[in-house]
Parts: sequence; C-alpha cells; structure tokens
Amino acid sequence: QSALTQPRSVSGSPGQSVTISCTGTSSDVGGYNYVSWYQQHPAKAPKLMIYDVNKRPSGVPDRFSGSKSGNTASLTISGLQAEDEADYFCCSYAGDYTLFVFGTGTKVTVL
Amino acid sequence: QVQLQQWGAGLLKPSETLSLTCAVYGGSFSDYYWSWIRQPPGKGLEWIGEINNSGSTNFSPSLKSRVSISVDTSQKQFTLNLSSVTAADTAVYYCATASDTTIVNWGQGILVTVSS
Repeated sequence: QSALTQPRSVSGSPGQSVTISCTGTSSDVGGYNYVSWYQQHPAKAPKLMIYDVNKRPSGVPDRFSGSKSGNTASLTISGLQAEDEADYFCCSYAGDYTLFVFGTGTKVTVL
Repeated sequence: QVQLQQWGAGLLKPSETLSLTCAVYGGSFSDYYWSWIRQPPGKGLEWIGEINNSGSTNFSPSLKSRVSISVDTSQKQFTLNLSSVTAADTAVYYCATASDTTIVNWGQGILVTVSS
C-alpha cells in the first residue's frame, strides 16, 4: 500500500483560506468514506481534526472542513490563524489487510 | 479525554527486540483498538498494527512476521514488540487509539534508534 500524496507545503496570510489535497487510489481514499486529517505542532502528538471525510470532533473549530471527490480528499482551513501553522497529514482506512494508510504530510505556513 | 503515555528503550543494536509500552489514561479502555504507528526520520507514517480489548490483532503485512502486540487490561497498558530490528526500523514510534476506521488519539511518540 503506497502513501497518500500530499503537497509538501502550502501557505497563506491570516484570514485567508488554504486547501490541502490528499490523493490515493480506489483501494483507500476512493473506496471508503473514512478519511481523517491530523494537525501536528513540533514535538507534539498529532491531533484529530477531521474524520469520516468531513466530520469534526468536539472542540475543533469550524474553520476546518473536509471533503472528498473520487480518489482525492481535501482539508480546507478558512480564516487562517497563526496557531494553524503546523504539519497536517491525512489518513485513509484501506481495508482488511493494511488497515490504515497515511499521507506524506503538508507543512502549513501562516505568512 | 483519553491520554496516552509511552515508554521503552530508545537505543537498540541490530537483531535486538524493540519493546514499547503505552499506558491509557481516561476514557473507557474497552471502547477502542490499541494501535502502533511509526515514522522513520524524514519519511511518512506507517501503520504497524492493533489489538482490541479481547486480544484480537491486525498487523501490517510488511511487518507481520516480526510484530506482536499484547494488552494488559488490568493495567490499561498495551505493548509492542518488534523482533530482529535493523537500521530500517529507526523511527519515531507512536501508540494510538482507534475505532474501526479512524485513529483517534495519539501518544507523544518515542524515537527508537537502531545502531551498532
């Protein structure tokens, strides 16, 4: 199972929106509505931001939203804030053998 | 709020067995699968495997021959063992909770280095 493809970096000014893509195959992203997104600040544990493509856990701001089309999932951060600067990675359920496959990770920079 | 704390040896020699333990604080221990994930330096994340409260396991096909995961429900801890390590097993290892389809909570990660 190959890693999901994400852009290495994206950037935006405070208040702007940024979108991170996560491209897989029909065996993972395209095959299941079980894509999740995580935020990781340096030296911190990853934090679940989106699950089941577009659901937010309690406490996650509604500035974070998820979507999926075909084999590509996306995370959009609207109204970018300084504290959103972090690494983000996606994860997809991939079936009965390799249960989870991860994205390559994207660094979000707030200009 | 579930919190995970992990520990274990951070430096191993080739052919030794990696052993890491993760303790679970808060939440219901029986609600999740208990998972291990790793990230080699400069590389992406790799799912290693999981165990549930009844001891049922799933492992990555690429690591299955060398991995075991056990759980101690009385202590709310679970343990990863990875045998015959090589330099390719050098990575930050994370413990995590998972539902059937989502990895939910992560530990802080521990760097394990394999070097002679």
